[in-house]
Amino acid sequence: SQQGEEDPQALSIQEGENATMNCSYKTSINNLQWYRQNSGRGLVHLILIRSNEREKHSGRLRVTLDTSKKSSSLLITASRAADTASYFCATDAGGTSYGKLTFGQGTILTVHP
Amino acid sequence: GAGVSQTPSNKVTEKGKYVELRCDPISGHTALYWYRQSLGQGPEFLIYFQGTGAADDSGLPNDRFFAVRPEGSVSTLKIQRTERGDSAVYLCASSYAAGGGRAADTQYFGPGTRLTVL
Repeated sequence: SQQGEEDPQALSIQEGENATMNCSYKTSINNLQWYRQNSGRGLVHLILIRSNEREKHSGRLRVTLDTSKKSSSLLITASRAADTASYFCATDAGGTSYGKLTFGQGTILTVHP
Repeated sequence: GAGVSQTPSNKVTEKGKYVELRCDPISGHTALYWYRQSLGQGPEFLIYFQGTGAADDSGLPNDRFFAVRPEGSVSTLKIQRTERGDSAVYLCASSYAAGGGRAADTQYFGPGTRLTVL
């Protein structure tokens, strides 16, 4: 079953603009991760944020986490055509489910040059 | 160093046949995971190995699916009596010991095996 729900399902922007994707989840988590997938194949890990963290940065990526609302957002600043991909959030509930990632359905991002 | 590798990259089979999908994790990673991704969906967890043993196989859809990791490295996902609904991309990931320190949380994914059941 899919815990995360991502919004929007598809996003189309121009190069240089910022892209924001949102993820909501249902159960408590140990951490939340964002992945990128090109052409429906292997996933690339982007960033991990733990349940006791509120914000993390990595290069042009900024992730926020609001555990009270069970939601996270991924911001890509100054987007490039090469950022075109599907983006997934994945939650790790920890405990006996440690390591078992539950993915959302993803956001398809298209960046036009 | 080498990433996670999966073979074959594509597999076409007929309904009712048996298939084996192979995953070679990153050297030194003791945890290994299998996921299945249907078109337009996010990956869904199938099974997770810690060393040679299956720590969590709650995602295997039925008893036609089985996975092994006999020496704690390479893993094989086996599907018996394949059905058209088994068609999907099967993804493998590995990580350092799950449940350990911070480095354990990040899973590194292979390129996947696209299985098509005719």
